[in-house]
Amino acid sequence: GAVVSQHPSRVICKSGTSVKIECRSLDFQATTMFWYRQFPKKSLMLMATSNEGSKATYEQGVEKDKFLINHASLTLSTLTVTSAHPEDSSFYICSARDWSRTEAFFGQGTRLTVV
Amino acid sequence: GQNIDQPTEMTATEGAIVQINCTYQTSGFNGLFWYQQHAGEAPTFLSYNVLDGLEEKGRFSSFLSRSKGYSYLLLKELQMKDSASYLCAVRDQGTDSWGKLQFGAGTQVVVTP
Repeated sequence: GAVVSQHPSRVICKSGTSVKIECRSLDFQATTMFWYRQFPKKSLMLMATSNEGSKATYEQGVEKDKFLINHASLTLSTLTVTSAHPEDSSFYICSARDWSRTEAFFGQGTRLTVV
Repeated sequence: GQNIDQPTEMTATEGAIVQINCTYQTSGFNGLFWYQQHAGEAPTFLSYNVLDGLEEKGRFSSFLSRSKGYSYLLLKELQMKDSASYLCAVRDQGTDSWGKLQFGAGTQVVVTP
């Protein structure tokens, strides 16, 4: 199946700093990528839809100035958590859509811990 | 938006069968997915239903009834490695004809020896 690589898998940062998470589609072009957030034992919450070459579409309640999304190429989308706070600690997962396939493919996830 | 409901947890013994139900209420429907997620890992795709009926794929089968807003995932011949969370996800009628996935809270399946 199609491969989506997410990096880093784990990151610990200090409050007030920014963290960038990368999501790459390795063997297909992804015009659309999705960013999710998952709390322990909870389901995935869609944060935003990232479209190559245009602005991301954020879900209600998600601060776009807090969670910056850039999708500059057909194989890379980045999520930057700005001025991170402990409540931003979570598991962040990206998924990418391959137009030739029905399902979206997920990256490995990033465990963010803000201390 | 969607309301997606599935049981929180189910326990079954190795070799048995387990059925995970999912009900949804949606303003638009463009397919239902089942994903498996092991703790701390990303979800992996299991099945997709867009028309009514049963889709079988090895030990896993998925059923959909659009009129009832209902789906189930059937896991047969359970193995210990099947212990995981199973996520029901509905794709809405997105403006780009593909839409986005909204996930249920997941059903934790515990397989015991």
